[in-house]
Amino acid sequence: AQSVTQLDSQVPVFEEAPVELRCNYSSSVSVYLFWYVQYPNQGLQLLLKYLSGSTLVESINGFEAEFNKSQTSFHLRKPSVHISDTAEYFCAVSAPGAAGNKLTFGGGTRVLVKP
Amino acid sequence: DGGITQSPKYLFRKEGQNVTLSCEQNLNHDAMYWYRQDPGQGLRLIYYSQIVNDFQKGDIAEGYSVSREKKESFPLTVTSAQKNPTAFYLCASSDGQGGNQPQHFGDGTRLSIL
Repeated sequence: AQSVTQLDSQVPVFEEAPVELRCNYSSSVSVYLFWYVQYPNQGLQLLLKYLSGSTLVESINGFEAEFNKSQTSFHLRKPSVHISDTAEYFCAVSAPGAAGNKLTFGGGTRVLVKP
Repeated sequence: DGGITQSPKYLFRKEGQNVTLSCEQNLNHDAMYWYRQDPGQGLRLIYYSQIVNDFQKGDIAEGYSVSREKKESFPLTVTSAQKNPTAFYLCASSDGQGGNQPQHFGDGTRLSIL
């Protein structure tokens, strides 16, 4: 079984400042890792994913995440945030061959970008 | 455009009443899922289905039921046995097996008690 911990429930940040959202996972097997974003009253949208290969993955809107196997982490970063990045962010894991392609989610980090 | 449609957007339940949440997808995905979202708790899996006419319980299935009679449809019934049904419910789907396929989500149904 896997578990995911997002260490910060809320992160206030000023516009154009950098932000880092922390995600740690626990698993007895290798994992696939995902970050999703949720805007108010909407579903989740995939931001980026790590399946294999390069440990640094990037999204089209400037976010990046780095897989660190030794620290079992997959932290999300953006060097300069915009007001439109205000949302809740979820880290999730799945295991290769997982029955039903199931995901395990962290508790979420709410990002509030202030002008 | 392909996607997942959940309806209604808002739903109210009276005491002792069963209510059904609709989820339809036109992505031709085999697998479908129902999650419950409560503030600060992330998403918790209620039920999932890998193929038509088959489904499995997730982590919090008590008080809920599902059916999967068609590939594109996966309705969730919140029964009167669910004593704390107030939450945001999300439906998702994914293609293939193996854990490496991302899930695609609908825009959710918010259920409240009258």
